[in-house]
Amino acid sequence: ILNVEQSPQSLHVQEGDSTNFTCSFPSSNFYALHWYRWETAKSPEALFVMTLNGDEKKKGRISATLNTKEGYSYLYIKGSQPEDSATYLCAWYSSNTGKLIFGQGTTLQVKP
Amino acid sequence: NAGVTQTPKFRVLKTGQSMTLLCAQDMNHEYMYWYRQDPGMGLRLIHYSVGEGTTAKGEVPDGYNVSRLKKQNFLLGLESAAPSQTSVYFCASTGDRTYQPQHFGDGTRLSIL
Repeated sequence: ILNVEQSPQSLHVQEGDSTNFTCSFPSSNFYALHWYRWETAKSPEALFVMTLNGDEKKKGRISATLNTKEGYSYLYIKGSQPEDSATYLCAWYSSNTGKLIFGQGTTLQVKP
Repeated sequence: NAGVTQTPKFRVLKTGQSMTLLCAQDMNHEYMYWYRQDPGMGLRLIHYSVGEGTTAKGEVPDGYNVSRLKKQNFLLGLESAAPSQTSVYFCASTGDRTYQPQHFGDGTRLSIL
């Protein structure tokens, strides 16, 4: 079974703190890595799709990096705000299977 | 913009009953997916379709059937519901390339008693 692991499972930070989480995935047969933001009672929304080793993507205060050789991606949030509270999912797209495999997610709570 | 619409949003079934979940997308997407989401686990792929008239098994297909008779619709059927199928079901779609981001519906919360 090919696993995608996310850590930590949950995180509580104060408003204004910067934070980061990790997504680990198999380094073989890599095609793409997705990050999604999933707010309570809503559906997951795509943040980034990353395909190249060394890729860095940014959207406002959120950024992500990718290392395909060692099989990890980091998601960073600078100056967390209460509206950043959500579960952040990563998903690995394998060229071998042609399907996305999702991690369990990191749930972030930002306290005002 | 509707995007991906799932029907119904909630349903309670008794063991052994059957039902169909409907997913409709208005983005002319080729690829459609059904996932289930259970506590402590990531989204797990049940079945998927790479185009009208095609379906394929995902990671956890047992107990489910699907059909894609029209490009915009992807149906998920439970022939004989079991308590283990209590879950939140998400439909998703994506455009021409399978590594493009997926667009998700709002989910269907299904309870089997």
